[in-house]
Order: sequence, then structure tokens, then C-alpha cells
Amino acid sequence: AQKITQTQPGMFVQEKEAVTLDCTYDTSDQSYGLFWYKQPSSGEMIFLIYQGSYDEQNATEGRYSLNFQKARKSANLVISASQLGDSAMYFCAMRRHSGGYQKVTFGIGTKLQVIP
Amino acid sequence: DAMVIQNPRYQVTQFGKPVTLSCSQTLNHNVMYWYQQKSSQAPKLLFHYYDKDFNNEADTPDNFQSRRPNTSFCFLDIRSPGLGDAAMYLCATSRDLGATEAFFGQGTRLTVV
Repeated sequence: AQKITQTQPGMFVQEKEAVTLDCTYDTSDQSYGLFWYKQPSSGEMIFLIYQGSYDEQNATEGRYSLNFQKARKSANLVISASQLGDSAMYFCAMRRHSGGYQKVTFGIGTKLQVIP
Repeated sequence: DAMVIQNPRYQVTQFGKPVTLSCSQTLNHNVMYWYQQKSSQAPKLLFHYYDKDFNNEADTPDNFQSRRPNTSFCFLDIRSPGLGDAAMYLCATSRDLGATEAFFGQGTRLTVV
């Protein structure tokens, strides 16, 4: 079974510090995609960053970077210079080919709280 | 400006009374998805449309149906809501099935009384 594991139910970080949110995945596919989404209390899911399984370099988007370690099947999200507005739920997700189409599976999420 | 709009944001329905949730998009994307997210759980894909082609997840209950009358709109129909159907329902779109990004609406929080 394809699976996404986020082992940190909650994390705290001091404002302006960096924080790493862990994500491991399990798949036998060679081609897949990894995503991180942010879900504030308002409910919408906000796309943050994407990493393809064949991408050799780690993805970066502004203050977000994805630490992709393919052999270890991990795709940790690093947020640099945390801001109060970063407080939210963060979901790791994986897209893989299944049954003729691309299917996205989400992890259970990590709740991040940024402390002033 | 919001690109994926879900209405209403909050919906209260009675046990067993049919309810419809709405999603519209201004992105002209081919794919529209419906996810169910229960409290403290990961979003779970219910089904998706690629253009007019409907794809139901194997474990989606028959109680859940969907309609996509045109590119811009997609509806989630719950024929006989049970207490266990109370959840946040998220609509998302993507340009195509292999897109690297999906756009989500703000969700509709459904309460069943």
C-alpha cells in the first residue's frame, strides 16, 4: 500500500527560526510526485512546494525548501525564518499513477505553531 | 481573487436529508476533485472529474454522488447524510492529471444534526 507518514502531530518554533517538518513515504513506483500543502484555520489548502521523483535538486520556493532523500524515502519541508502567519496545519502528499490516473494521498498533517 | 470557490462555507443539514455542496472555478482547469476531511484526519479523495469523465474512488460510499454540468462547476450530492458524514469537504482543481499543482477552495464544513 502507498503511504505517507508524518510523525510530528505538533511542532513549535520561535519566530524567525527555521523549522523542519518530517515526511516519509512508501511506494514501489519509480515515478511519483511529492507535495507540501499548508492549511490555515480558514480551511483552504495552499500549495507550497513540489518535488518530482526524478528531480535531482531539492525544490525551493521562497522560504520553503524540500529536503528530498530518495533512498531514505523522505521529503522533509524546511521553513526558514518562520513568521507568525506560518502557524497552520501542514500536509505532505504524494501523487502516483493508479488505475489509469494520477492519485494524490495525504499524510495526517503536522500542526505548526510559531511563537513570538 | 479566489479561483476556486466553494459554497456555502458552512452547511448544516438534518440526518437523512439530501444536501448539495457547490464548487466553481475560474481557472478553466480540466480536473476537479472532491475530498472529505474529517477532524484531525488527512483529506481523503472521494472522486474526480477529468473533463466529463467521472472517476470514483473504490471506497467512496454510494451515498456520495457528483455532477459536473460544465467546466466551471462541480457539485457534491450527499443523498442521505449520516452523522459520520460530518466533515470538511474540499474541492480542488488542476490543469491536468499530471499537473504539479492543485488549487483548493476554502472548503465547506458540513454538520449533520
